[in-house]
Amino acid sequence: EVQVLESGGGMVQPGGSLRLSCAASGFTFSNYAMVWVRQAPGMGLEWVSSITNSGGGTYHADSVKGRFTISRDNSKNTLYLQMNSLRAEDTAIYYCAKQGSGGGWFWESWGQGNLVTVSS
Amino acid sequence: EVVLTQSPGTLSLSPGERATLSCRASQSVTSNYLAWYQQKPGQAPRLLIYGASNRATGIPDRFSGSVSGTDCTLTISGLEPEDFAVYYCHQYGNAPQTFGQGTKVEIK
Repeated sequence: EVQVLESGGGMVQPGGSLRLSCAASGFTFSNYAMVWVRQAPGMGLEWVSSITNSGGGTYHADSVKGRFTISRDNSKNTLYLQMNSLRAEDTAIYYCAKQGSGGGWFWESWGQGNLVTVSS
Repeated sequence: EVVLTQSPGTLSLSPGERATLSCRASQSVTSNYLAWYQQKPGQAPRLLIYGASNRATGIPDRFSGSVSGTDCTLTISGLEPEDFAVYYCHQYGNAPQTFGQGTKVEIK
């Protein structure tokens, strides 16, 4: 069974840092691109960052560029999101998800989400 | 950036009725790279449709997707109680990938 499980969220002050992790199982992790998508309270979905299967290509939304870094360790089947210089508007549930089996940058299997709260 | 505008914002229907959800793109979506997700309260999104019209694994055939130019449609042919949720369209053919703002399907 495909599973992705996020961890590392919590409350942090503005300007602080957090690192989210996403542990994957049930599939060959190194074969699939991965993504972070967030959802602010009561709002819709927002793409944050994507990474190719090898980790050689990374992509970030303009809203987080220069502050967030996506990475992966294929030997550990784990995806990461390093978040620096956090702002109140980064408060959201952060989901990791696995690329669809049909190819293309759509997201087939999602974690349960991890809440990040940026507040003083 | 491709802006996706979903309509209506809320759809009030009864079980058994047909639901038609619209997603209009601000420009043509490359290769019909359009997906639909369902999200229930407190849950993660669930992939329903990819490539505009391909059902994801395990998705019932009452869900169907279509595209005509910049207009994409998700149709639920007969609403089951478990289908009342929020639905998001998502384009992944043009960078940056973007989501629509969602359509809530509620029980009338």
